Amino acid sequence: GAVVSQHPSRVICKSGTSVKIECRSLDFQATTMFWYRQFPKQSLMLMATSNEGSKATYEQGVEKDKFLINHASLTLSTLTVTSAHPEDSSFYICSARDYRTRLNTEAFFGQGTRLTVV
Amino acid sequence: SQQGEEDPQALSIQEGENATMNCSYKTSINNLQWYRQNSGRGLVHLILIRSNEREKHSGRLRVTLDTSKKSSSLLITASRAADTASYFCATDAWVTGGGNKLTFGTGTQLKVEL
Repeated sequence: GAVVSQHPSRVICKSGTSVKIECRSLDFQATTMFWYRQFPKQSLMLMATSNEGSKATYEQGVEKDKFLINHASLTLSTLTVTSAHPEDSSFYICSARDYRTRLNTEAFFGQGTRLTVV
Repeated sequence: SQQGEEDPQALSIQEGENATMNCSYKTSINNLQWYRQNSGRGLVHLILIRSNEREKHSGRLRVTLDTSKKSSSLLITASRAADTASYFCATDAWVTGGGNKLTFGTGTQLKVEL
């Protein structure tokens, strides 16, 4: 299957700082990338959908000014958590799809980023 | 919002037994997918079943889909301790404005004991 690389896998930051998480599709071009958040022992909650070259579409209740998403190329999307607070501590996971060729196939997921804000 | 509800929330079985997990959803779908997640890790795709399919097999996995009841089940046969993980169903559907969206169920935590 296709590979999606997410970096960093773990990050600890101080309250008030910003953190950037990268999601790269290594062997395919991702027309669309998705960002999820997962709390301990809970399901994945979709935060936003980003299409290459256009603004991200955020799910209801997700602050777009706090969670900045950029999808500048077909292989890279970034999520920046701005002015992070302890309540932003969570597991963030990206996934990628190529709608041009994989309309009815699985999404490919990164390994996730464990963010801890202290 | 959660599309899928899974049951049971937690399942503990002995190695060699079969494990069955169920998923119910609410809207029309293009396909339904099952994923596995080990603690603190990313998701691994297990199997995809299209809306016009009723059953699919992959190794020790068997998935059924009943679109009239909006439900799916995942059966893991001859379970192993290494199957211990959380299992999620995810429904794939078109959304207004274009594109597909995967919406995950609540998950089943499976523990296989020796």
